[in-house]
Amino acid sequence: AQSVTQLDSQVPVFEEAPVELRCNYSSSVSVYLFWYVQYPNQGLQLLLKYLSGSTLVKGINGFEAEFNKSQTSFHLRKPSVHISDTAEYFCAVRDSNTNAGKSTFGDGTTLTVKP
Amino acid sequence: KAGVTQTPRYLIKTRGQQVTLSCSPISGHRSVSWYQQTPGQGLQFLFEYFSETQRNKGNFPGRFSGRQFSNSRSEMNVSTLELGDSALYLCASSLGGGGNIQYFGAGTRLSVL
Repeated sequence: AQSVTQLDSQVPVFEEAPVELRCNYSSSVSVYLFWYVQYPNQGLQLLLKYLSGSTLVKGINGFEAEFNKSQTSFHLRKPSVHISDTAEYFCAVRDSNTNAGKSTFGDGTTLTVKP
Repeated sequence: KAGVTQTPRYLIKTRGQQVTLSCSPISGHRSVSWYQQTPGQGLQFLFEYFSETQRNKGNFPGRFSGRQFSNSRSEMNVSTLELGDSALYLCASSLGGGGNIQYFGAGTRLSVL
């Protein structure tokens, strides 16, 4: 079984400031890791994913994340945020040993970018 | 390429009724997963269908069921609705491999009165 903990439920930040959204996971098996963004009244959009290889993963909209196996973390970062980045962000894991389409999600982090 | 389409977008039902939600995946995708999203419980996995077979199931009561057709379109059904079933129901489609990207629809918002 897997679990995901997003350490901050809300992150307020000023426009053009850097931001980090923290995600820790727990799993007895190896996992794939994902970050999604959800805008109001919409579904989830994939920002980036880690399957294997380089632990620094770059995604869309200037986001990147670093996989740290020893700390079981997958924190999301952006060097300079925009008002349009205001949304809810979800970290998710999926068992890498199967073809299962079951993802386990964290509770989400609401990012609010202020002018 | 068309994205994942969920219908209807909004639904209002009363307790005790049943409801059917529909999900049309991206063309060529054989896996459809369903999730329930609520403010209290977050995103929870309901079940996954792959090539018309249920491949995974979450911890939901038997009132929640689903099926997948030969064209990969999927439906989920909730019988004997309860107030606590009010939620955003999301479906996601993928090619079916574990590392494949899941593409989400906009969801169906179900309100149970």
